[in-house]
Amino acid sequence: SAVISQKPSRDICQRGTSLTIQCQVDSQVTMMFWYRQQPGQSLTLIATANQGSEATYESGFVIDKFPISRPNLTFSTLTVSNMSPEDSSIYLCSALPFGNEQFFGPGTRLTVL
Amino acid sequence: GNSVTQMEGPVTLSEEAFLTINCTYTATGYPSLFWYVQYPGEGLQLLLKATKADDKGSNKGFEATYRKETTSFHLEKGSVQVSDSAVYFCALSDQGGSEKLVFGKGTKLTVNP
Repeated sequence: SAVISQKPSRDICQRGTSLTIQCQVDSQVTMMFWYRQQPGQSLTLIATANQGSEATYESGFVIDKFPISRPNLTFSTLTVSNMSPEDSSIYLCSALPFGNEQFFGPGTRLTVL
Repeated sequence: GNSVTQMEGPVTLSEEAFLTINCTYTATGYPSLFWYVQYPGEGLQLLLKATKADDKGSNKGFEATYRKETTSFHLEKGSVQVSDSAVYFCALSDQGGSEKLVFGKGTKLTVNP
């Protein structure tokens, strides 16, 4: 299994600013992912965070808006750039240990005013 | 593309009642199927999974059977408890493993004593 922590757990931000969310896993994992859960909606995959290379984004998500870093096998960041109220969501990271199921972090609840 | 359709909630039951939460999917190939649970104030946790047709996943008294002919993965429990109150998400992975999960919208279950 894997224990995942996220920081911050929640934040309230002003329109036009950026927020960086950190995701830390307690063990090395092959893959890490970032999801968004908009109010009353399901989880949607934003991107796969690749270690040592650029993230792989899903349709509808772009690097300029959601830059992602993954400097090693236990850590990743997601930045939500130039925020608008439509970005208000819960952002979750997940990790896939070698040959195992995905484990999820507790999420970061973002409110944009 | 791949998709998951999940029974709309919320669902309210009395303790010891029988629970069914319907889940159907659309996918190419042979996805793995999952049920995740999110207890109040906690992160997403894997409840059970099935990786091929006719497999039955089970955990904590919950069961779900992978039905390829009806493209379904309904969640059942014979006797729910107050502690089962949570949001339940049906999901599939499009790689046959545990990568790139596609989620249903979630079903909120409340169990009253």
